[in-house]
This record gives sequence, C-alpha cells and structure tokens, in this order.
Amino acid sequence: NAGVTQTPKFRILKIGQSMTLQCAQDMNHNYMYWYRQDPGMGLKLIYYSVGAGITDKGEVPNGYNVSRSTTEDFPLRLELAAPSQTSVYFCASTGYTEAFFGQGTRLTVV
Amino acid sequence: DAKTTQPPSMDCAEGRAANLPCNHSTISGNEYVYWYRQIHSQGPQYIIHGLKNNETNEMASLIITEDRKSSTLILPHATLRDTAVYYCIVRVLNAGGTSYGKLTFGQGTILTVHP
Repeated sequence: NAGVTQTPKFRILKIGQSMTLQCAQDMNHNYMYWYRQDPGMGLKLIYYSVGAGITDKGEVPNGYNVSRSTTEDFPLRLELAAPSQTSVYFCASTGYTEAFFGQGTRLTVV
Repeated sequence: DAKTTQPPSMDCAEGRAANLPCNHSTISGNEYVYWYRQIHSQGPQYIIHGLKNNETNEMASLIITEDRKSSTLILPHATLRDTAVYYCIVRVLNAGGTSYGKLTFGQGTILTVHP
C-alpha cells in the first residue's frame, strides 16, 4: 500500500515548456485534489475530482488542466509554463476520515 | 464550505499543552471540523476530526463548542517535533459517508514549540 505517489519530485522548466505532474493512489479513493503552495503561504486548490471522468476547478485553475480517466490516476498538465507557476505542488486523495498527501513536486520555471 | 479563522502564530513551551483555536461561525449541520498539520515542506498530515462531540486520539484532543461555531485543538504535551503549521478545515460529510466536500485550506497557525 503505497498511498499517494507523485512524480517527479523536482523539475526545472523553461518558460513556455509544458509538462505533466503525475499522481497515483492505491486506496480506491473517489476524491482527488491538486494544490500548489507558494513560499510561506497556505495550500491553494487548483483542481479536484470526485471520481473517474469528473473534474472541477478549485481556487486557482488558470494555466492548468487535469483529467481523470481512472480512479487511481489524476495527472496535472501545465501547457505553457510561466514563472508564476514556480511552486510546490501537492496531490491528495481522501477517504471517509482523512486525506492522504503525496510528498510534493517542487517546480521551478525559469 | 464554511470558512475558518485561525491566529497566524502561537508559541508554546516544550512539555506544556498547546491549545490552538479555530473559529467557524458559519458552519452548517453536515460539516465536520478537521485538523491537519504541515511540518516543514512535507505534505499535510491528518490529526483529528469531529462533528459535535469532543474527540481524542493518540495525537491530540478536539474540543468543539456546543454551538459548533468554534473549536480548539489540544496537543497535551507539546514537543519540539510539534513545531508546524496547523490547519483547521470544515468539510461536508453526509451521514452515509458517500459524499464528501472539497478540502480547502486557509492560512493556518504557525505553532512554534520552544525549549
């Protein structure tokens, strides 16, 4: 039981490049989330999903896209990376009582 | 989802109880109170949750007022490793456990435990 697995752990992107942050969970949770956390700030919700095929915007969705084709996977796509997207990204899934978080992806856009 | 208000920072002496308050004056009847903490740059960690009764587990106690408009997380014997950002969150959870609300974080309280 691995919980929530995020890849990669670190990444440096050039402005305008694209990438996909991967998130997978093996707990059969319906709800999954993507957050970003800027230095010294709290977590901001980017997108979330209530199940396979269903996604919805959070507080800061601009510049990102998501898909949820399976219960296990919830990738986050950055199409045209901008310096403002430099942040730490956390994926999470929730069961009945608690949320489980991945270890985070530290992304730098230069 | 109801909003929460927490003090931005608090201090506590090692070995003493840390009492972290949270206001959620607009909480509705089907919203639970959850507490998480984030140590350094790790992903947040679940601590405890409750609806209206006081709750206790191996990590902490949760005291919810009778009107449910505020709550207090209690770390009974704080250690240096409890230094973290503590988040209070309210979240919809229906009686059957089949529908969950968004998990939205505020700014949290930075708890510093000093020797």
